[in-house]
Amino acid sequence: IAGITQAPTSQILAAGRRMTLRCTQDMRHNAMYWYRQDLGLGLRLIHYSNTAGTTGKGEVPDGYSVSRANTDDFPLTLASAVPSQTSVYFCASSDEVADTQYFGPGTRLTVL
Amino acid sequence: RKEVEQDPGPFNVPEGATVAFNCTYSNSASQSFFWYRQDCRKEPKLLMSVYSSGNEDGRFTAQLNRASQYISLLIRDSKLSDSATYLCAVYNTNAGKSTFGDGTTLTVKP
Repeated sequence: IAGITQAPTSQILAAGRRMTLRCTQDMRHNAMYWYRQDLGLGLRLIHYSNTAGTTGKGEVPDGYSVSRANTDDFPLTLASAVPSQTSVYFCASSDEVADTQYFGPGTRLTVL
Repeated sequence: RKEVEQDPGPFNVPEGATVAFNCTYSNSASQSFFWYRQDCRKEPKLLMSVYSSGNEDGRFTAQLNRASQYISLLIRDSKLSDSATYLCAVYNTNAGKSTFGDGTTLTVKP
């Protein structure tokens, strides 16, 4: 692995299903982030983690949960997917919170 | 008012043109500033950080104006390959997080 990876690349999901988007980085960065990007709305922060073992809510956290059990992994879970969660999801990491963020390639999620 | 605002464009310019984008931020506690480039259906990637004294990287120049609370990106001698969306990002010390602008779309035409 080099950098930050996300899985799956894309997914079509039935409403009401549970889904976990995976994110892994190998840069030993302290901070990690989940964003969603919708047309015309830019990048919106869902949840973040400044260091392993801690998480915080971003701008649009409702319907999503995260965990940060270790430095490398930061999964995002949709407990019961709804169509409004159709979006492109980007995971990112940075060495420190004020530093450059490095983004994964994104997950395109469609909830029907 | 949004915390970070950009002119969405689109900016359509001919090859060789000079184009400038601005990004305004509302919180004076903002500490770090960045420009990212995002190609269609790809992830954002850092273009350049913005330093207080201004900085240049080839055809790209970034500047910070703390008094008026904006950052700018100047692209000289535009290339077709510069076509992309440019996102500014501002780190706010008080909030402890970065906020991204919605992006400005640039299309460079032959």
